[in-house]
Amino acid sequence: LAKTTQPISMDSYEGQEVNITCSHNNIATNDYITWYQQFPSQGPRFIIQGYKTKVTNEVASLFIPADRKSSTLSLPRVSLSDTAVYYCLVGPPKAAGNKLTFGGGTRVLVKP
Amino acid sequence: DAGVTQSPTHLIKTRGQHVTLRCSPISGHKSVSWYQQVLGQGPQFIFQYYEKEERGRGNFPDRFSARQFPNYSSELNVNALLLGDSALYLCASSLDPGQGYGYTFGSGTRLTVV
Repeated sequence: LAKTTQPISMDSYEGQEVNITCSHNNIATNDYITWYQQFPSQGPRFIIQGYKTKVTNEVASLFIPADRKSSTLSLPRVSLSDTAVYYCLVGPPKAAGNKLTFGGGTRVLVKP
Repeated sequence: DAGVTQSPTHLIKTRGQHVTLRCSPISGHKSVSWYQQVLGQGPQFIFQYYEKEERGRGNFPDRFSARQFPNYSSELNVNALLLGDSALYLCASSLDPGQGYGYTFGSGTRLTVV
């Protein structure tokens, strides 16, 4: 599984856009990029998944450049409730055994 | 609809004791996985079960074991508890083991070993 590197923490303010970049230099051809969000004392929650270019849903956007060696999760107009840890995962979409490999994640703190 | 439910929510045990954690998957989900999350770190994969059979195992000692019942609920057992076993234990369910990232996680059981 490709190793991922993301910032340990980021601070932002309500109403701003938050962009979290994840590096995955060894991504394989059939790997997808998936982001999870985790609030304190809760399990991770799937946010978004993509393979290339741009994916957008009601929560976030995911930007993936052509070389796919990095990706950026964009959270538009964050609120205090977006304070959480965000994990970037890279792997095949249907990994055998469904073993998800989480790194340390990025702690996002949204301030008023 | 009920999500993934785990019990108990919190637990305090003494070193050397045994603990059993329980998980009920979302209705219709037949695959259950267990993860350990130590404070400040990401979740680490422990086990996956599907149709009562073990489908995957992470790098955890034999003190950790699990099983899945005919109703697809699951138990995680940890013997001879160590201080380092203190963590949030998460259960995740999916329709089948090949669903990839289509997991739904429970809120976890916070285990403290003293």
